[in-house]
Amino acid sequence: KNEVEQSPQNLTAQEGEFITINCSYSVGISALHWLQQHPGGGIVSLFMLSSGKKKHGRLIATINIQEKHSSLHITASHPRDSAVYICAVKVTNDMRFGAGTRLTVKP
Amino acid sequence: DAGITQSPRHKVTETGTPVTLRCHQTENHRYMYWYRQDPGHGLRLIHYSYGVKDTDKGEVSDGYSVSRSKTEDFLLTLESATSSQTSVYFCAISPRGTEPTDTQYFGPGTRLTVL
Repeated sequence: KNEVEQSPQNLTAQEGEFITINCSYSVGISALHWLQQHPGGGIVSLFMLSSGKKKHGRLIATINIQEKHSSLHITASHPRDSAVYICAVKVTNDMRFGAGTRLTVKP
Repeated sequence: DAGITQSPRHKVTETGTPVTLRCHQTENHRYMYWYRQDPGHGLRLIHYSYGVKDTDKGEVSDGYSVSRSKTEDFLLTLESATSSQTSVYFCAISPRGTEPTDTQYFGPGTRLTVL
């Protein structure tokens, strides 16, 4: 079993819909990161969370440390949000990554 | 973009040949990482470096070696490439490595195909 599990693996939405991507982990962590991988392959960091909630534009990330669970929400989704979203947890010297959620937003 | 480049960006090689991938940074960050990304798997750590000549193994290090003779360059070598090493390889850098809040910055990736 992977230490970091994401769901769903694939998600298709219509423009304007509210999106939720989930991440569960089974190891002790010091922080959790959400990353975005563009269709061209580039990977960028969206959020780093150690507790609570963070918001950046239309993106909201939450974490529940006791339940070992995090969610990434996208409000008013847009076709340009189409990408792979990756959950990663910080474990001592390195990071462990989920397999990613492929989001497609149709106009 | 963080100043990270990878070379080559694409490579096709044959089984049994040696291959070296290069990661170059202009940020003077201490930590550098090599990952591979395969369908159905998350990014998996191959090796990382926490300073010049200081390296350590990651989760999937078998068949790979690394070297870091300068802060800015981190080389990944496949001594004798196998088809199972066909993958997309990403380099990443971070300033503080072990700090919980540290963020990693990723290079553009190298697509390697071993025939």
